[in-house]
Amino acid sequence: GENVEQHPSTLSVQEGDSAVIKCTYSDSASNYFPWYKQELGKRPQLIIDIRSNVGEKKDQRIAVTLNKTAKHFSLHITETQPEDSAVYFCAASIGGTSYGKLTFGQGTILTVHP
Amino acid sequence: DVKVTQSSRYLVKRTGEKVFLECVQDMDHENMFWYRQDPGLGLRLIYFSYDVKMKEKGDIPEGYSVSREKKERFSLILESASTNQTSMYLCASSSPGTGFNEQFFGPGTRLTVL
Repeated sequence: GENVEQHPSTLSVQEGDSAVIKCTYSDSASNYFPWYKQELGKRPQLIIDIRSNVGEKKDQRIAVTLNKTAKHFSLHITETQPEDSAVYFCAASIGGTSYGKLTFGQGTILTVHP
Repeated sequence: DVKVTQSSRYLVKRTGEKVFLECVQDMDHENMFWYRQDPGLGLRLIYFSYDVKMKEKGDIPEGYSVSREKKERFSLILESASTNQTSMYLCASSSPGTGFNEQFFGPGTRLTVL
């Protein structure tokens, strides 16, 4: 089955800096890569996703890049703010099959210091 | 606005007890999922269901079973709770179809088995 590795496990940045979280996946058939954000004590929520027919996607201060050849994808957060502090999870899926079953990475705890 | 609710936020049980965790969604979603969340391990899929009375094992089904008698309700059952099942349990649902669909999570149930 699919295996997703996520790094780093913790990331500490100063407000205004950029943050990058990286994930690798094992199944070359995976073609859907969402990112979820979980604030302390709250439920995970989707913040951005990318399909394999696209190399990059942006939404304001967040962006995701995908390298299908190397089987890795990354989340980029620019101009970080304290409210970006949360646990971030990447995931991979084979869209179109498997009922939307996601395989998640281990999570990254991002702390943004004011 | 999608709403996924779980029967309890916190639950304390004894080893050997039978435990029921319930999840209800109000968006008529076909797909429902149960995950457990442990620090450093991310979200791991226990079971999922793509229709009433239909279920499939996820990555860590041992020690768990599920029930889906109605479309809106998906129950996770621990037949004989053990201390290694102490964890945060998250339910999620998604609409059917392409498999590129967002999963909506419940608030989670923190289960402690003594």
